[in-house]
Amino acid sequence: QSALTQPASVSGSPGQSITISCTGASSDIGTFNRVSWYQQHPGKTPKLIIYEVTNRPSGVPDRFSGSKSGNTASLTISGLQADDEADYYCNSYTTGNTKFGGGTKLTVL
Amino acid sequence: EVQLSESGGGLVQPGGSLRLSCAASGFTFSSYGMSWVRQAPGKGLEWISAISGDGGKTFNSDSVRGRFTISRDNSKNILYLQMNSLTAEDTAVYYCAKEAAAGGVITQFDCWGQGTLVTVSS
Repeated sequence: QSALTQPASVSGSPGQSITISCTGASSDIGTFNRVSWYQQHPGKTPKLIIYEVTNRPSGVPDRFSGSKSGNTASLTISGLQADDEADYYCNSYTTGNTKFGGGTKLTVL
Repeated sequence: EVQLSESGGGLVQPGGSLRLSCAASGFTFSSYGMSWVRQAPGKGLEWISAISGDGGKTFNSDSVRGRFTISRDNSKNILYLQMNSLTAEDTAVYYCAKEAAAGGVITQFDCWGQGTLVTVSS
């Protein structure tokens, strides 16, 4: 059960846009549209920000968007704000289980 | 308001056992699949176990299969995780997480508890 692959870190300045990639396989991201993204601030619990590849839960700003191409999913955050600095985790369903990515630390410069 | 509250964590010796509980409120508990997700100190999230809303289906990761057992009591709105044969690699904060959609299981989690710390050490 290999974890999904994410970059360890990304950074951007306030107002800029960043994209975090999440690479899986044909057996998970490539087949199922059950990709979700979670934001976790230090010492806090994870928060769902994207589900089913592109959907935002109520209350999540439209600055957060998701997409998928082949075996890779992506999270884009536009108009970066200081409070976006956090760890981000992707997740994908696969038959009989679910996998998280290793996490990406976003630094807002 | 949906609330999840874990309990039962603590210090346990290698080879020991522990049972975690997760008390749920604010939603129709029996309609939603539930999962346990853990996070080792300074590390990422790891899904370990899930159960369907009616308790009829369970799923486990390779890392805990045969050692951990997930169960639920829908009359009490409580989720459990029985952990046996614990090793140092099981040291982590353990979160219970609610499935976002009724009837779903291990797809996406829209509510998480505050977590309970399990430390396996002699």
